[in-house]
Amino acid sequence: AQKVTQAQTEISVVEKEDVTLDCVYETRDTTYYLFWYKQPPSGELVFLIRRNSFDEQNEISGRYSWNFQKSTSSFNFTITASQVVDSAVYFCALSEAEGTGNQFYFGTGTSLTVIP
Amino acid sequence: DTGVSQDPRHKITKRGQNVTFRCDPISEHNRLYWYRQTLGQGPEFLTYFQNEAQLEKSRLLSDRFSAERPKGSFSTLEIQRTEQGDSAMYLCASRRGTRGNENVLTFGAGSRLTVL
Repeated sequence: AQKVTQAQTEISVVEKEDVTLDCVYETRDTTYYLFWYKQPPSGELVFLIRRNSFDEQNEISGRYSWNFQKSTSSFNFTITASQVVDSAVYFCALSEAEGTGNQFYFGTGTSLTVIP
Repeated sequence: DTGVSQDPRHKITKRGQNVTFRCDPISEHNRLYWYRQTLGQGPEFLTYFQNEAQLEKSRLLSDRFSAERPKGSFSTLEIQRTEQGDSAMYLCASRRGTRGNENVLTFGAGSRLTVL
């Protein structure tokens, strides 16, 4: 069965510190997608990144970077030099292979507070 | 592209009443999802439409819940005889397809239900 675990419920950091949000997933599929979404206090989930299971190359986008390791079934998210605007709940998600399963499975989220 | 719209944003009702939520997906997105999110949890899958066909339903979707997408455009989610346990944020999301860049869920702002 598909499952996403975000063990960190809440994290607080001081502005400009780096922070890593952990995500561990379980799936029997050999082809799948992983995602990170941000949910700010306003409530709307905002897409950040999608990764397919064949692409383990790490990705960097500005202050954000993602580390995908199939060997440990992890897809961790690092924010460098955190800012107050990064305060939000972050969700990791897993979807099944292209053209087949239709569900997205979400973790329980990590609430990040960046203290000015 | 005006995003995914949901209405109403907030609904307060008394136990036993019926409520209906509406979702207007992004126009070219033929896949539409309903999720439920309670405090401190990630979104939980309720149901999925491809065009007007309801292809998957979660065990969470009891007989009191019904969803429709009559013309393959907007969708409604009705909850009959509401219970206090139905209090949650109901999220609608859509995506264009399941391949490559189409495989991203775009979420609406949600409809928050409070059952007194």
